[in-house]
Amino acid sequence: DVKVTQSSRYLVKRTGEKVFLECVQDMDHENMFWYRQDPGLGLRLIYFSYDVKMKEKGDIPEGYSVSREKKERFSLILESASTNQTSMYLCASSPHGQGTYEQYFGPGTRLTVT
Amino acid sequence: EDQVTQSPEALRLQEGESSSLNCSYTVSGLRGLFWYRQDPGKGPEFLFTLYSAGEEKEKERLKATLTKKESFLHITAPKPEDSATYLCAVQAPGSGNTGKLIFGQGTTLQVKP
Repeated sequence: DVKVTQSSRYLVKRTGEKVFLECVQDMDHENMFWYRQDPGLGLRLIYFSYDVKMKEKGDIPEGYSVSREKKERFSLILESASTNQTSMYLCASSPHGQGTYEQYFGPGTRLTVT
Repeated sequence: EDQVTQSPEALRLQEGESSSLNCSYTVSGLRGLFWYRQDPGKGPEFLFTLYSAGEEKEKERLKATLTKKESFLHITAPKPEDSATYLCAVQAPGSGNTGKLIFGQGTTLQVKP
């Protein structure tokens, strides 16, 4: 079974703090993704990575950065957390290639910024 | 603009009352359409991939179908445990090998006993 794990289920941080969200997958997938999910707005792509040290901006990258030093691990960084970054954060992974591949999701991190 | 639209936003059914969820898409060169189930507070769980018009996939009480413009998720004789949000996604044109998906907003299904 594909397993995508996220470091925390729930996280509470203060405005201005630097926040790290960690994601690890065990299926040797090349592609990894970070989304946020908000009521009425659906899933929005923040950043994705298709290889170690490679990253591309998604639809809403402002206020976020990412790091991919190892194939299995993809980190999302909130440089200076703000209240409008309170959200559910979801990590996903998929194989890389010419085919069509589903993404496998982690359990999510519910982040509250106060 | 590439877009995925799901309807209705919310659906309430009685146990055993069959219905369908709709996912319409406007992308050129569809590479694949995906259905996911998401329980409250959890990550989406993969259900099906459909590749071409006319294709159907089934799993228990769920059947997904695909035309050139839309996909349906048919739920036959639903049970309360089928209550969840169902998400539709398409593989983005020009995504190359990156696997980027475009997601719809989801349909929240509630099945009452």
